[in-house]
Amino acid sequence: DGGITQSPKYLFRKEGQNVTLSCEQNLNHDAMYWYRQDPGQGLRLIYYSQIVNDFQKGDIAEGYSVSREKKESFPLTVTSAQKNPTAFYLCASSLSRGSSEQYFGPGTRLTVT
Amino acid sequence: AQKITQTQPGMFVQEKEAVTLDCTYDTSDQSYGLFWYKQPSSGEMIFLIYQGSYDEQNATEGRYSLNFQKARKSANLVISASQLGDSAMYFCAMRDRGYSTLTFGKGTMLLVSP
Repeated sequence: DGGITQSPKYLFRKEGQNVTLSCEQNLNHDAMYWYRQDPGQGLRLIYYSQIVNDFQKGDIAEGYSVSREKKESFPLTVTSAQKNPTAFYLCASSLSRGSSEQYFGPGTRLTVT
Repeated sequence: AQKITQTQPGMFVQEKEAVTLDCTYDTSDQSYGLFWYKQPSSGEMIFLIYQGSYDEQNATEGRYSLNFQKARKSANLVISASQLGDSAMYFCAMRDRGYSTLTFGKGTMLLVSP
């Protein structure tokens, strides 16, 4: 089955530690995205990548980093510089930057204490 | 800057009734796209329907239709014959001029009762 996988579903970390969230897709999509969702809020864009080895900052990139070494993979690192990292993180992909639809993964709920 | 407004934090509807979820948007672009997504309690985002700014007709997908009123900058989602499984958060979103990213509203929680 084609789709987007994010692992793990739940992640717990101590404050001050970096943590990397995984996102893999087998849809052969060029574009991939990371969003953050807080309770009662919509999704906010963290980073996006339209092609391998290239990515752009979204609206709330501070405290996060990404890489896009392979078309299928777009991992997100939440660094210790992110002041309020506890949130629900969603990864998405689309066929290209102009595609009418983004497909989403199941999400990772990160809790930092 | 683009902005999406969903003014209804929560909506209640009885099974088999129709419901309209409101969405207004603000953009200076002439070319844009509007989307509706459903988010069940499990968390994944499910694409429902898309409307392009130049599309002449309102988009429909099964029980979902998008009431697009360009002059009023509104893109309301209409769900006909609600089902219990429709209970979820619903998000309106807009694609920007660069056709690469989505801006989301804060969502509307829909609860369908038997």
